[in-house]
Amino acid sequence: GESVGLHLPTLSVQEGDNSIINCAYSNSASDYFIWYKQESGKGPQFIIDIRSNMDKRQGQRVTVLLNKTVKHLSLQIAATQPGDSAVYFCAENMAAGNKLTFGGGTRVLVKP
Amino acid sequence: NAGVMQNPRHLVRRRGQEARLRCSPMKGHSHVYWYRQLPEEGLKFMVYLQKENIIDESGMPKERFSAEFPKEGPSILRIQQVVRGDSAAYFCASSPREGYGYTFGSGTRLTVV
Repeated sequence: GESVGLHLPTLSVQEGDNSIINCAYSNSASDYFIWYKQESGKGPQFIIDIRSNMDKRQGQRVTVLLNKTVKHLSLQIAATQPGDSAVYFCAENMAAGNKLTFGGGTRVLVKP
Repeated sequence: NAGVMQNPRHLVRRRGQEARLRCSPMKGHSHVYWYRQLPEEGLKFMVYLQKENIIDESGMPKERFSAEFPKEGPSILRIQQVVRGDSAAYFCASSPREGYGYTFGSGTRLTVV
């Protein structure tokens, strides 16, 4: 489920399974990363963030992993639920500025 | 705290008209950002403002688009002489300071007919 280009890649997941969404970020100077969830017709909703001095951070049912060597970010959702169906975006921010740059997004479809 | 408030939610304009999109940031947030989203695409940065100042407008088209965040009142994104290609969802976000994640509003969906 890596974010690529204009057409949203889709990750189909069985309810109860774990989901892994990947993101390749672009700027090695980025030091702050965020995952957002966007449901149809709504604005992006903050899920979890991580700073570049960490490689893992856990929230409720979600874990973000950061690999700075290969500029890769992933979001793991444990025990995926129907309410997790949405488009997920990663975003990066450089220390020198305050502008979040978003990836292309991955659609997650949870099958009952 | 009501969150980031955007209005209107939906806006229909004829080609050549002006569109004004409003955004009230969260209480205590002095940084405002505007993003544009086309269907099935990610969010594209347009402009970053603080009170009475444009900090970064590198994502704004050179013509017809302007933004402001006055000392009093909401931030306004203004599109003059709209064209069909301006049809999109426009999202506003705010943050309390630099280096923090944004809180987004529900967006304004602009349709140019």
